[in-house]
Amino acid sequence: AQSVAQPEDQVNVAEGNPLTVKCTYSVSGNPYLFWYVQYPNRGLQFLLKYITGDNLVKGSYGFEAEFNKSQTSFHLKKPSALVSDSALYFCAVRGLNTGGFKTIFGAGTRLFVKA
Amino acid sequence: GAVVSQHPSWVICKSGTSVKIECRSLDFQATTMFWYRQFPKQSLMLMATSNEGSKATYEQGVEKDKFLINHASLTLSTLTVTSAHPEDSSFYICSASWAGANTGELFFGEGSRLTVL
Repeated sequence: AQSVAQPEDQVNVAEGNPLTVKCTYSVSGNPYLFWYVQYPNRGLQFLLKYITGDNLVKGSYGFEAEFNKSQTSFHLKKPSALVSDSALYFCAVRGLNTGGFKTIFGAGTRLFVKA
Repeated sequence: GAVVSQHPSWVICKSGTSVKIECRSLDFQATTMFWYRQFPKQSLMLMATSNEGSKATYEQGVEKDKFLINHASLTLSTLTVTSAHPEDSSFYICSASWAGANTGELFFGEGSRLTVL
């Protein structure tokens, strides 16, 4: 069975400090990995994805994520957090054998950035 | 590009009535759209996969007769909550993907908050 785990319900970080939001996955075959962000009462916005190639992928708003196959992880990172980064972040995976376009989402991690 | 519009953003209805939520891909053709339900402080629960011109595929536990999905064109899918009850109150989100894009990201609507009194 395919799954995505976000072990932290909440991450707190001071503005200007680096941030990491963790994600691990379990999927058969090569994974397609995604990060999305959700602001209050809004839909999700795409941040970045890993399909193939370089393990470090860069996305919107200065975010990046590192694919680690041996650890089955895809942690989201940003070198310097902004207060406006405070939101709900979802890791998602789409495996080759999901039978179509289904995407599995993690439980979400709420990021609080303090000024 | 890749804009998905969802309407209405907010809806309040009386118990027993039906509510229709529209999801439109504004600048691309979406052969597949997805409907999710999100409870407070929880992740997205996939309700159904909507394919243009065919019947929707519902996830286990989702009542087909309760949540009617129609995908009549490549740019429009609708979710109708029939005979709504207070327990149907939730945040409903649609998303769409490019035709044939197995590796592509999803594009989400802004969500519709349904409150059933």
